[in-house]
Amino acid sequence: GENVEQHPSTLSVQEGDSAVIKCTYSDSASNYFPWYKQELGKGPQLIIDIRSNVGEKKDQRIAVTLNKTAKHFSLHITETQPEDSAVYFCAAKGRSGSTLGRLYFGRGTQLTVWP
Amino acid sequence: DSGVTQTPKHLITATGQRVTLRCSPRSGDLSVYWYQQSLDQGLQFLIQYYNGEERAKGNILERFSAQQFPDLHSELNLSSLELGDSALYFCASSVVSSGANVLTFGAGSRLTVL
Repeated sequence: GENVEQHPSTLSVQEGDSAVIKCTYSDSASNYFPWYKQELGKGPQLIIDIRSNVGEKKDQRIAVTLNKTAKHFSLHITETQPEDSAVYFCAAKGRSGSTLGRLYFGRGTQLTVWP
Repeated sequence: DSGVTQTPKHLITATGQRVTLRCSPRSGDLSVYWYQQSLDQGLQFLIQYYNGEERAKGNILERFSAQQFPDLHSELNLSSLELGDSALYFCASSVVSSGANVLTFGAGSRLTVL
């Protein structure tokens, strides 16, 4: 099956700085990579996703990059704000056999933005 | 409100007991997924249903079972509970089983086993 590794597990930044979270995946056939944000006491919420036919995608202060050759993808948050503080999860979608359609999640990154 | 409803929000029970967690998917979504989230394990996939049928199984214990009913709501049954079963249990739903697979999560059910 797919294996998703996520780093770092914790990240602290000053308000206004950028934050980068990196993930690697094992199945070269995976073609869909979403990022979820989980605020305290809530369920994860999709914030951005990217498909394998695209190298980069931006949505305001959030961007995701994908390197298919190296099998890694990253989340970039610019001009961070205290409300960006949350746990962020990356995921990859399985493409073969019993993994088809399943999302495999990284272990999460606790981002703290200090005012 | 994500549109995915989970009940109960909190549940405290004793070892050896059995509980049922309930999930109503977002309107129009046919797939339901169950995830377990514990402090050091991240989001662990348990099981997926699509339009009433089991579609995929993950790290689900034999003491756990689930089903999806004709109205598409789903229940996760946890029996012979152990201390280690204490966790947040999330239900998520999606429109399609494959494709982009955008999951919408509920707020979770926090289970505490004493």
